[in-house]
Amino acid sequence: LAKTTQPISMDSYEGQEVNITCSHNNIATNDYITWYQQFPSQGPRFIIQGYKTKVTNEVASLFIPADRKSSTLSLPRVSLSDTAVYYCLVGERDKIIFGKGTRLHILP
Amino acid sequence: DAGVIQSPRHEVTEMGQEVTLRCKPISGHNSLFWYRQTMMRGLELLIYFNNNVPIDDSGMPEDRFSAKMPNASFSTLKIQPSEPRDSAVYFCASSLAPGQSYEQYFGPGTRLTVT
Repeated sequence: LAKTTQPISMDSYEGQEVNITCSHNNIATNDYITWYQQFPSQGPRFIIQGYKTKVTNEVASLFIPADRKSSTLSLPRVSLSDTAVYYCLVGERDKIIFGKGTRLHILP
Repeated sequence: DAGVIQSPRHEVTEMGQEVTLRCKPISGHNSLFWYRQTMMRGLELLIYFNNNVPIDDSGMPEDRFSAKMPNASFSTLKIQPSEPRDSAVYFCASSLAPGQSYEQYFGPGTRLTVT
């Protein structure tokens, strides 16, 4: 199972673009990369998933380089409500593990 | 859609008592997951069902924990007897497809306190 490493915490300001990078050096061929967001006192919420190159949805973009040993979640123009914990998960169909995540704090 | 429903939202019990947590997954979802979250250990998968059958229960801490899914719309997680170290937030999640990698929809959680 691929181990992921991401920063414990990050601060940013409203209106800025935030990039959170996750490293997963031993990612396997069949592994997908998934990001979840968790607000205080709530369950995690799926944000985005990708396998390679770039994926974009209405909430975020996910950039994955060719070697797939890392990935970057990009949140455009963050607001105070984006303050949350962001989890990077790597795994194939039947096994994923939530790490400690990155605690993102958005400042006014 | 009401989303994943969990009950109770909060539970306070004394050590040694039996605790039953309940979950109703999203209608039509074939996979159901039970997680436990604590500050020290983060979010841990306890057990995962697909089509009401337990697929992976390697995360269940010990024999005091048991989970059942008698039908597609209901699951329970039981702790008997409960211990203070079981205090945590327990989440239930469901997914449309089999496997853990597909998008999971989480419930609001049950905050369990064992005194």
